Amino acid sequence: EIVLTQSPGTLSLSPGERATLSCRASQSVSSSYLAWYQQKPGQAPRLLIYGASSRATGIPDRFSGSGSGTDFTLTISRLEPEDFAVYYCQQYGSSHQITFGQGTRLEIK
Amino acid sequence: QLQLQESGPGLVKPSETLSLTCTVSGGSISSSSYYWGWIRQPPGKGLEWIGSIYYSGSTYYNPSLKSRVTISVDTSKNQFSLKLSSVTAADTAVYYCARLAKYFRLYYFDYWGQGTLVTVSS
Repeated sequence: EIVLTQSPGTLSLSPGERATLSCRASQSVSSSYLAWYQQKPGQAPRLLIYGASSRATGIPDRFSGSGSGTDFTLTISRLEPEDFAVYYCQQYGSSHQITFGQGTRLEIK
Repeated sequence: QLQLQESGPGLVKPSETLSLTCTVSGGSISSSSYYWGWIRQPPGKGLEWIGSIYYSGSTYYNPSLKSRVTISVDTSKNQFSLKLSSVTAADTAVYYCARLAKYFRLYYFDYWGQGTLVTVSS
């Protein structure tokens, strides 16, 4: 099983700042199989990024994804008030095994 | 617009079987481009994939839950279902159903239900 470790656990920033969230895999993951989600309290997760770097429909271009192998990054270029939420990375692995990272909480400083 | 809706009891007794159904509207569950999955989230915790099913009936389960999980599909009703047996308090969670899109080598959950809280308690 591929374990995804997200860091930091909590990130405290102010609106307008840049956020960099990390997702590290215990073994190499195909970029095609790496996605990022945003979850706000009381809501279902929302797809942000798929294929490590492709934005989902309707996602603002301040969100970007990058990385390969075992290290992936979600960057929010200029934080808006509505961006403060929990973010999860997710991978699709061999034999259709799916795992999520433990999440990064992005909070207002 | 595709919609997924979970339904089932919100309270289950310990040692019993949790049963949930996800009804898909606005699209066909029989499309070859998608799998259908269940994900859960204990209160205040992260997301855990439970398992997935293809419209043909092929199933894939999280190894940590495999011995207790059964996922099935009813294409005539455009629904898929989850059964989790021998539940304990640790199975208390919000349960989500979601669509897993597969395009070429891309796999991601693009549509989610609103989630349903299932509490295990006597």
